[in-house]
Amino acid sequence: EIVLTQSPATLSLSPGERATLSCRASQSISSNLAWYQQKPGQAPRLLIYDASNRVTGIPARFSGSGSGTDFTLTISSLEPEDFAVYYCQQRSNDRVFTFGPGTKVDIK
Amino acid sequence: EVQLVESGGGLVKPGGSLRLSCAAPGLTFSNAWMSWIRQAPGKGLEWVGRIKKKSDGGTTDYAAPVKGRFTISRDVSTNTVYVQMNSLKTEDTGIYYCTTGVGYMDVWGKGTTVTVSS
Repeated sequence: EIVLTQSPATLSLSPGERATLSCRASQSISSNLAWYQQKPGQAPRLLIYDASNRVTGIPARFSGSGSGTDFTLTISSLEPEDFAVYYCQQRSNDRVFTFGPGTKVDIK
Repeated sequence: EVQLVESGGGLVKPGGSLRLSCAAPGLTFSNAWMSWIRQAPGKGLEWVGRIKKKSDGGTTDYAAPVKGRFTISRDVSTNTVYVQMNSLKTEDTGIYYCTTGVGYMDVWGKGTTVTVSS
């Protein structure tokens, strides 16, 4: 099973700052990675797929990069509504999918 | 816009069974990959299992913790996807989300809560 690790577990930042979230896979997953945002009491929302493609309607301040085993989600300038938990998820083989443990972005 | 609606959650004793349903008016499930994702209280997301669309073989796969206990199925006549959960354990407690998407979960339901407790 492919294991995803995310760092840091918590990121404390102020609005307007840049957020850089990391996701690392236990083996190469090419670009088969997505990022989700989850706010309290809500279902998650898909932000980025295939490592770097933004879903329609997702603001341009969200960007994804990476391939192989190391991936990054960048939020260029945090808006108040961006404070949430972010998960990465792999679909490297189409049989078993896994999520990372999440990174919480909270207000400093 | 596709909407997914889960139902069937509730309180069940350890060792018991429960069947969750997912309906999506306007979405033909036979043409969609459907997954179930769960989230234990205060914890992260866990992929539970998936059923492929019919043209991709309609096969199912499961996460190791539920394999052999959970079964995902599809009823094309009612456009509903199910997860039958048997031999439930306390660690199966959580919110269960129905999702659709080929490998990635691009549409999510609001979830239904399952509590396994004596």
